[in-house]
Amino acid sequence: EAGVAQSPRYKIIEKRQSVAFWCNPISGHATLYWYQQILGQGPKLLIQFQNNGVVDDSQLPKDRFSAERLKGVDSTLKIQPAKLEDSAVYLCASSLYSYYSGANTGELFFGEGSRLTVL
Amino acid sequence: DAKTTQPNSMESNEEEPVHLPCNHSTISGTDYIHWYRQLPSQGPEYVIHGLTSNVNNRMASLAIAEDRKSSTLILHRATLRDAAVYYCILRDGRTGLDSSYKLIFGSGTRLLVRP
Repeated sequence: EAGVAQSPRYKIIEKRQSVAFWCNPISGHATLYWYQQILGQGPKLLIQFQNNGVVDDSQLPKDRFSAERLKGVDSTLKIQPAKLEDSAVYLCASSLYSYYSGANTGELFFGEGSRLTVL
Repeated sequence: DAKTTQPNSMESNEEEPVHLPCNHSTISGTDYIHWYRQLPSQGPEYVIHGLTSNVNNRMASLAIAEDRKSSTLILHRATLRDAAVYYCILRDGRTGLDSSYKLIFGSGTRLLVRP
């Protein structure tokens, strides 16, 4: 079974430029997450989707970050304009969990992440 | 979100058992205890989870205190490949809520395995 795919793996940009990350979850997984992991810290949840709807985006800096999952499958996370403090690994994860049915045994599967360096 | 407390780091010798503790004194009755680990330069991976009873799988065992205010992840024979950051996370088990299946990571325990 194919895992969670993310691209690009690495990206270097200058501050005030824009960047986009792409995620393709495991087939059939209804829930998709984007996490930000700054060096030396645990992952921080940015946004959670259930199919193509947003369940939680309370930690997403909406003045510069946006995310979409238009057809309920793959997702894009965009940062515009980037700041130095956005340097981090952006992790995508997916889960079979259904917000509505509440299956309690589904685990999260993570991709390898996209490492962003803002100069 | 209910909080967990873990030591910043632990060390172990290869092929010896490792007991990774986690305190969660404010756990509610519907919170599941999840453990994930993150190997260097990789995304986190699921290890094990439980609610009240001790759990075993091919990777590890999870021992949950009777009052559920603490738990211990047990690696029966540590290998060099087990060197990672281990995260203990509480997940709200109530369904139909926006908090459901949202995993909030702390800073975890960095496990060093000596050959």
